[in-house]
Amino acid sequence: GEDVEQSLFLSVREGDSSVINCTYTDSSSTYLYWYKQEPGAGLQLLTYIFSNMDMKQDQRLTVLLNKKDKHLSLRIADTQTGDSAIYFCAESKVGYSTLTFGKGTMLLVSP
Amino acid sequence: DSGVTQTPKHLITATGQRVTLRCSPRSGDLSVYWYQQSLDQGLQFLIQYYNGEERAKGNILERFSAQQFPDLHSELNLSSLELGDSALYFCASSVEPETYGYTFGSGTRLTVV
Repeated sequence: GEDVEQSLFLSVREGDSSVINCTYTDSSSTYLYWYKQEPGAGLQLLTYIFSNMDMKQDQRLTVLLNKKDKHLSLRIADTQTGDSAIYFCAESKVGYSTLTFGKGTMLLVSP
Repeated sequence: DSGVTQTPKHLITATGQRVTLRCSPRSGDLSVYWYQQSLDQGLQFLIQYYNGEERAKGNILERFSAQQFPDLHSELNLSSLELGDSALYFCASSVEPETYGYTFGSGTRLTVV
């Protein structure tokens, strides 16, 4: 199976909170990342969390990590139309700097 | 602008041909990574260089090769191109070989016809 899995699509209204979910399989993952890709652009690192942390908050972004279930989520508060993009979850393993990405979740924010 | 420069932005070529994609890493970054993004496979790691030396290899085909030059720019060479090689090719860079996330370029879109 896939190392990193995400749901493919999420639609929310402007001002609502968005929650994008991700599951991973490798228990030796050291860092878990969220990247954002806007149309025609590269991937932008939004935030990352160490695998020994439970939560990280950065302005409108909150990352929650459930190590037992190998579940990662990204919550975007007060979602704006400019948040519409594809969001990728990724993991890196102990001793490696290469990232394994999920297939991405397309977030569509409607006015 | 992320600081990672990829050229060209778009490339259209015929099957069987060879192309070279170029990447200039962010100033000060020693590691360069190449990823392929396609609709069916998602983002796949191809290869990593650190300070001119190959550091890690992923799902890179034998028809593909890469190198990193003394000025730290990198080139990805794709030969005997097939229709299935059509994809977005991203370069990313980081300061160290083991790092807390990379900086990505905006990619080269390759279309093989």
